[in-house]
Amino acid sequence: TQLLEQSPQFLSIQEGENLTVYCNSSSVFSSLQWYRQEPGEGPVLLVTVVTGGEVKKLKRLTFQFGDARKDSSLHITAAQPGDTGLYLCAGGRAAGNKLTFGGGTRVLVKP
Amino acid sequence: NAGVTQTPKFQVLKTGQSMTLQCAQDMNHEYMSWYRQDPGMGLRLIHYSVGAGITDQGEVPNGYNVSRSTTEDFPLRLLSAAPSQTSVYFCASSKRRAGEKLFFGSGTQLSVL
Repeated sequence: TQLLEQSPQFLSIQEGENLTVYCNSSSVFSSLQWYRQEPGEGPVLLVTVVTGGEVKKLKRLTFQFGDARKDSSLHITAAQPGDTGLYLCAGGRAAGNKLTFGGGTRVLVKP
Repeated sequence: NAGVTQTPKFQVLKTGQSMTLQCAQDMNHEYMSWYRQDPGMGLRLIHYSVGAGITDQGEVPNGYNVSRSTTEDFPLRLLSAAPSQTSVYFCASSKRRAGEKLFFGSGTQLSVL
């Protein structure tokens, strides 16, 4: 049983469309990170959110941390083929030494 | 600009064989960790270390050993490989602890026959 559930598991869209990926948990996290992973490579950090209700924007990507710090979402506006990859959320606890990852959402943006 | 270096990139083992996956970082990071990645299951923590001489277990430690004799190196040992250990293994490091930015290596794809 995973502490962090991501949905959907797979998303295929056309270039220019919008998409949202969800990361949900029944546990409270002190921080929530989003990573993107490309084939044959390790994940690369996109953003860290730490405050309940926090919204962060990174160009066309918008990240939100839920008020109760149990869930998060990643929204991509006007997706491009370069956004294709595996998106992973990861939750951390204050002073903890273990990061818990979700199962990942595979995004395919077709030109 | 090496970052986190993992070797080998690919490995095939027979059941019962042992091997060591190497991981080295040149960023003077205190925190290092090993994950395995299986389809649909994201990344699962095997072992981690918060500094030289200090290691601890993650979610799935059985069948794996680690040691941290220097700040730079954090090898992962498979004592007696089993088909269930077929996976992609990632080493990651951060400055001090898990909640900070993790820097990942490019992975080792391991097949156990």
